[in-house]
Amino acid sequence: AQSVTQLDSHVSVSEGTPVLLRCNYSSSYSPSLFWYVQHPNKGLQLLLKYTSAATLVKGINGFEAEFKKSETSFHLTKPSAHMSDAAEYFCVVSGVNTGFQKLVFGTGTRLLVSP
Amino acid sequence: NAGVTQTPKFQVLKTGQSMTLQCAQDMNHEYMSWYRQDPGMGLRLIHYSVGAGITDQGEVPNGYNVSRSTTEDFPLRLLSAAPSQTSVYFCASSLGETQYFGPGTRLLVL
Repeated sequence: AQSVTQLDSHVSVSEGTPVLLRCNYSSSYSPSLFWYVQHPNKGLQLLLKYTSAATLVKGINGFEAEFKKSETSFHLTKPSAHMSDAAEYFCVVSGVNTGFQKLVFGTGTRLLVSP
Repeated sequence: NAGVTQTPKFQVLKTGQSMTLQCAQDMNHEYMSWYRQDPGMGLRLIHYSVGAGITDQGEVPNGYNVSRSTTEDFPLRLLSAAPSQTSVYFCASSLGETQYFGPGTRLLVL
């Protein structure tokens, strides 16, 4: 079975400082990995995805993530946080063995950004 | 394109009542799915459909029914609501691996 573990339920940063949201995955096959963002009372928006091409993936709003097979990790980073980045972030996995369109979500990391 | 739309935005039900959550997409996507979101648990897949006339169960299907008579619509039915079904429900559609989510329906079952 596939699964993801988001290592922090909450992350607090100051505006202008770097962001690191951690995600480890488990998969028997080569996974596809995603990060989605959910702003308060909104739906989910795709930030970026990894589908076995380049291991460093760039997404929207300055976010990027690096796929590290040896560490089974897919951490999300951003060099400088903005107040508008405050939201909940979900690491998501899918793959051939589960049907690539069936997503398995992590439990989420709430990012708090202070002025 | 409106994308994925869901109605209603918010609903209060009494235990035992039935209702249908509506989901529609105008992107001609074959794949559609329903998720529920509960605090501290992320999103969990309820049911999904790979095309008109084809549906299958996800991780938490009990208490929910679906049908897919057209490509555009994928309603979710609660036949007899229970307090455990209090949640936020998201519909999604996709053509490839990227799923597009609706704005959600917040359901409270008393």
